[in-house]
Amino acid sequence: AQKITQTQPGMFVQEKEAVTLDCTYDTSDQSYGLFWYKQPSSGEMIFLIYQGSYDEQNATEGRYSLNFQKARKSANLVISASQLGDSAMYFCAMRGHTGANSKLTFGKGITLSVRP
Amino acid sequence: GAGVSQSPRYKVAKRGQDVALRCDPISGHVSLFWYQQALGQGPEFLTYFQNEAQLDKSGLPSDRFFAERPEGSVSTLKIQRTQQEDSAVYLCASHPSSGYGYTFGSGTRLTVV
Repeated sequence: AQKITQTQPGMFVQEKEAVTLDCTYDTSDQSYGLFWYKQPSSGEMIFLIYQGSYDEQNATEGRYSLNFQKARKSANLVISASQLGDSAMYFCAMRGHTGANSKLTFGKGITLSVRP
Repeated sequence: GAGVSQSPRYKVAKRGQDVALRCDPISGHVSLFWYQQALGQGPEFLTYFQNEAQLDKSGLPSDRFFAERPEGSVSTLKIQRTQQEDSAVYLCASHPSSGYGYTFGSGTRLTVV
């Protein structure tokens, strides 16, 4: 079974500053993938970034980077230069070894609020 | 279409009523997933299709929930005799045959009164 843990309470960050959202995971699979999604109040689930378990370098996508520490089973999301539009729920998720056939397992999410 | 389309966007049902939620995935996407998201929680897996075959329905909470994808494209999630605990957002996601990209629809918010 796979498990994602997101325990931070609501997070606040000042506009233009960086923020780290924590995620730990548990799985018995050797091959797996880790995802971060953003869900604004409108409800759609927006893909941000992906990290494969065998990727040697941390994933980056624009202002988003994933701090992947495999031994610690953590996959923290770093958002640099926060913008007001970053205020949303953020979900960490993982899928198992069967790739496209695998369901995603989500954490409970973290609410991020960006202050002007 | 360009994205995953779900309809209706909002649905209010009286307790005991049957509802049908529709998902139109990205053309050519082989895999289709349904998730249930309770207020303030992360999405929970319901069921998975590969083309028209329902390969995993382990997340369906009861036999009142039924999903189909008869032609391997559009999928319908049906909930019979709705109950208040069924109130949630129902998300659909599709995935191509390779790669890592899941694309989600905007969801259907179901409220049972």
